[in-house]
Amino acid sequence: DGGITQSPKYLFRKEGQNVTLSCEQNLNHDAMYWYRQDPGQGLRLIYYSQIVNDFQKGDIAEGYSVSREKKESFPLTVTSAQKNPTAFYLCASSILRGPRGYTFGSGTRLTVV
Amino acid sequence: ILNVEQSPQSLHVQEGDSTNFTCSFPSSNFYALHWYRWETAKSPEALFVMTLNGDEKKKGRISATLNTKEGYSYLYIKGSQPEDSATYLCAFENSGNTPLVFGKGTRLSVIA
Repeated sequence: DGGITQSPKYLFRKEGQNVTLSCEQNLNHDAMYWYRQDPGQGLRLIYYSQIVNDFQKGDIAEGYSVSREKKESFPLTVTSAQKNPTAFYLCASSILRGPRGYTFGSGTRLTVV
Repeated sequence: ILNVEQSPQSLHVQEGDSTNFTCSFPSSNFYALHWYRWETAKSPEALFVMTLNGDEKKKGRISATLNTKEGYSYLYIKGSQPEDSATYLCAFENSGNTPLVFGKGTRLSVIA
């Protein structure tokens, strides 16, 4: 079955450490996205990529980095520069030309301790 | 910055009640409006994609309407059941091939 896989489901990190969240899809989708959700807030876009080896900043990219070396994979690194990293992170993918309904992963909950 | 508003923020209804919620979005550069259902501990799943003004979509007891000229969509649930409890997200897709912009969602709780 085609789908999108995020790992791990839960992640604990010490302050000052970088951590990488995995997102893999086997849907042959060109576009991939990272969103963050905080309590009482909607999904906010961190980064997105529409083609391999290219990506664009979203609304809240500061303190995050991404890479898109393969079409299937779009890992997100939460760096120590991210001031409030504790959140729920959701990855999604879609076709490039619309309507571009997303397929979502199941999310990673990151807690900084 | 595009603004997508959903109301109410949360809703508690009794089993069997019918309910509806609203999504407001920019009326310019419209391409599509998406509705998702997001149950706790699961991935958001697509409910409807709506593209035409006046469009009406239905899936079981859930239906949605679209008004692109005034920039709103309604989601209706007829005869709510406890399994309808979830957060309902709408997302605006513009014609510029940029990522979807999501509302904050409406959290529905159906009490048996």
